[in-house]
Amino acid sequence: GENVEQHPSTLSVQEGDSAVIKCTYSDSASNYFPWYKQELGKRPQLIIDIRSNVGEKKDQRIAVTLNKTAKHFSLHITETQPEDSAVYFCAASANQAGTALIFGKGTTLSVSS
Amino acid sequence: GAGVSQSPSNKVTEKGKDVELRCDPISGHTALYWYRQSLGQGLEFLIYFQGNSAPDKSGLPSDRFSAERTGGSVSTLTIQRTQQEDSAVYLCASSLPSTYEQYFGPGTRLTVT
Repeated sequence: GENVEQHPSTLSVQEGDSAVIKCTYSDSASNYFPWYKQELGKRPQLIIDIRSNVGEKKDQRIAVTLNKTAKHFSLHITETQPEDSAVYFCAASANQAGTALIFGKGTTLSVSS
Repeated sequence: GAGVSQSPSNKVTEKGKDVELRCDPISGHTALYWYRQSLGQGLEFLIYFQGNSAPDKSGLPSDRFSAERTGGSVSTLTIQRTQQEDSAVYLCASSLPSTYEQYFGPGTRLTVT
């Protein structure tokens, strides 16, 4: 089955710096890769996703890149702000909509002002 | 509109007791998922329902865990003879048919003493 590895487990940056979180997956059939943000005590919120027919997707300060050959994808946050502090999870899904997401173990991002 | 709701928000139970956790998906979402999040860990897939199809139970950790979905809407996750290792946040998510995006509920925090 699918296995998702996520690095780093913790990341501390200064406000205004960029943050990059990387994930690798094992199942070449996976074709949907979402990123979730979870603030303390709250539910995971979908912040961006990418499908395997696209190499990069941007939404304001966040972007996701996908390298299908290497089976890795990354989340990029530019101009970080204190409110970006949270746990970020990557996930991968098998080759059809409506299948279970397999999650990485999360990255705790701390942005200090 | 209303998001995914779960009840109770917190549940404390004694080891060996049975518990029932409830999930109300977003109206119109035919796919429903249960995940478990242990302290400091990622989200672990448990079970998935899609319409009237047989559920995907491949993530259930033991036969003490079961889930039902009545009328294609509300779902109940039941844990029999609870153990301390069952302590976790149980998250429910739902999605539209044939789409990838999953939306999470606030979770039920289960503590087994």
